[in-house]
This record gives sequence, structure tokens and C-alpha cells, in this order.
Amino acid sequence: QKEVEQNSGPLSVPEGAIASLNCTYSDRGSQSFFWYRQYSGKSPELIMFIYSNGDKEDGRFTAQLNKASQYVSLLIRDSQPSDSATYLCAANFGNEKLTFGTGTRLTIIP
Amino acid sequence: GAVVSQHPSRVICKSGTSVKIECRSLDFQATTMFWYRQFPKQSLMLMATSNEGSKATYEQGVEKDKFLINHASLTLSTLTVTSAHPEDSSFYICSARDPYGGTDTQYFGPGTRLTVL
Repeated sequence: QKEVEQNSGPLSVPEGAIASLNCTYSDRGSQSFFWYRQYSGKSPELIMFIYSNGDKEDGRFTAQLNKASQYVSLLIRDSQPSDSATYLCAANFGNEKLTFGTGTRLTIIP
Repeated sequence: GAVVSQHPSRVICKSGTSVKIECRSLDFQATTMFWYRQFPKQSLMLMATSNEGSKATYEQGVEKDKFLINHASLTLSTLTVTSAHPEDSSFYICSARDPYGGTDTQYFGPGTRLTVL
């Protein structure tokens, strides 16, 4: 079964520090990977996607993909209290569906 | 990014009634839309994949006769919860796939919170 795994947390990070969120996946044939942020009671919103090995940066966010080790991570620099949310990792395993991890709850401590 | 809307945002109904939820892609045409359900403090659960002009594909364990999906146009998919019961109370979220994004990116609607009394 194709799976995406995340540490459920909670992960607590001081304001201004770097938050590091990790995700592993089971299928080497995975095509693309996504990070979504979900605030309590709201629907997920796309932060960024990545499909090539290496780093991809967008503002304070950096996604890192290592296909050989089958992990993808999200770094949040200069963490703000507004970054407190659940972060969902998702993978496309070659069909049109996304497989989601269970999410990591991040709390930024002022 | 692409915008997806859902209506209504919140609905309360009596047990045994049917509820229709609409999902619209506002600035792109979505050949494929997805319906998810999320219970409190749990992850997203995919219910079905909705393709324009064809029957929806339901995930294992999801009753197709209870959760009716219609994808009549490239910008609209509807989910009807028939004969709703209290255990159907949940947060229903749709997403639409941008076919020109090249990465199967899904954009989510704001969700519909259903409460069945």
C-alpha cells in the first residue's frame, strides 16, 4: 500500500527560529509532492509543490526532496505565530489522486 | 493560485433529509474534482473522484448510493448526502485539479460543515 508518513507532533518552535517538518513516502515511483497548511476548522491551502530532487524556495518556505531516501521536508524560516497550524504532506503516486499524510501540528511559541 | 468555492459553508439539517453541496472552480476548468471528508482531529479521507461527464469513482467503503456525485460541467461538481444521519456530520471538502499545472496540484474549497440533528 502506498503511504505517506508524518510525525503527528505537536512540534513546538520558538518564534523566529526555523521549523523543520518531515515526511517519508513508500513508493519510489512517486511523481510530485505537496505541502499544505491547514488552520483549525479550515480547509487545506497549498504552500508549495516539488517534483525535482533538491531544494525549492518560496519566501520563508523551502521544500526539500530526496528521492533516493524517499523523504520530503518543509523548512519555515523566521517562524511566526501565524505559522501555527497543521501541515499536511501529500504525494502523487502516478495517478490523479493525492495521498495525504496524517499531518504535523506545529506551534510557534512567541 | 486557482480559486475553488463551496456552498454552503455550513448546514444543519434533520436526520433523514438530503443535503446538496456545490463545488465550483472559479478561474479554471477542472476536469477532475475530489471530495474529502474530515472528522475532528483526523486527516483528510478521500471519498470519491469526480470526472466531468462520467460517473464518479468511489473509494472503498464509501456508499455511492448515499453520497451522490454529479460533475455536470467543467466548473461544477455537486455532492448530495442522501438520507443524512448524525454519523454523517463532518467537514466535507472538495478540491479541483488544475489540468494545466503539470503537477496534479489540487486546490481546495473552503469546506462545508454538516451537522445532522
